[in-house]
Amino acid sequence: SQTIHQWPATLVQPVGSPLSLECTVEGTSNPNLYWYRQAAGRGLQLLFYSVGIGQISSEVPQNLSASRPQDRQFILSSKKLLLSDSGFYLCAWSVRTRETQYFGPGTRLLVL
Amino acid sequence: AQTVTQSQPEMSVQEAETVTLSCTYDTSESDYYLFWYKQPPSRQMILVIRQEAYKQQNATENRFSVNFQKAAKSFSLKISDSQLGDAAMYFCAYRSALLANAGKSTFGDGTTLTVKP
Repeated sequence: SQTIHQWPATLVQPVGSPLSLECTVEGTSNPNLYWYRQAAGRGLQLLFYSVGIGQISSEVPQNLSASRPQDRQFILSSKKLLLSDSGFYLCAWSVRTRETQYFGPGTRLLVL
Repeated sequence: AQTVTQSQPEMSVQEAETVTLSCTYDTSESDYYLFWYKQPPSRQMILVIRQEAYKQQNATENRFSVNFQKAAKSFSLKISDSQLGDAAMYFCAYRSALLANAGKSTFGDGTTLTVKP
């Protein structure tokens, strides 16, 4: 069966520091991959998605970037964190465009 | 662009009773998918139910069912025989079926469901 991992689970970082969040999927090949951010008490905002290795599409201009160095690995990065980057970050995957998205356990990021 | 609206920020239900959560959406597309996700305090997003727009029959999963009204762009979730474990935040989500949209989803702001014993 397929599983999705995210780490770290929780992260506290100072303003201006770099960021790297990792997401990996097991048990499938060539998945579509997605990064979402959730503000407290709100819905999910799509940040990036990828349909293949090295193929990244950005939905919202921001202080973040994404990369997909391997088929089942999706990384969310920042060179310098802002206070507004705090939130809950969720990675998701789907087999194909028409299939259901499944979510990882998420990363809680607090920027101080 | 598609939008999803959940007009009920909070709902409560007595254990064993039935509750309906509302969702409306706006789209110009004819082929799409609609989902309800549950997010408990752990914040793990759990798929509750899925509806394909081309299907007229409403989806059902055990105690969960939907009322899909395509013309009205309405997609409500009914939870029957509510249990304490149903307490969570529920999100309605829209997903385009167009390949060019790569499966991107739009989420509502959620409804927090409280179940009273």
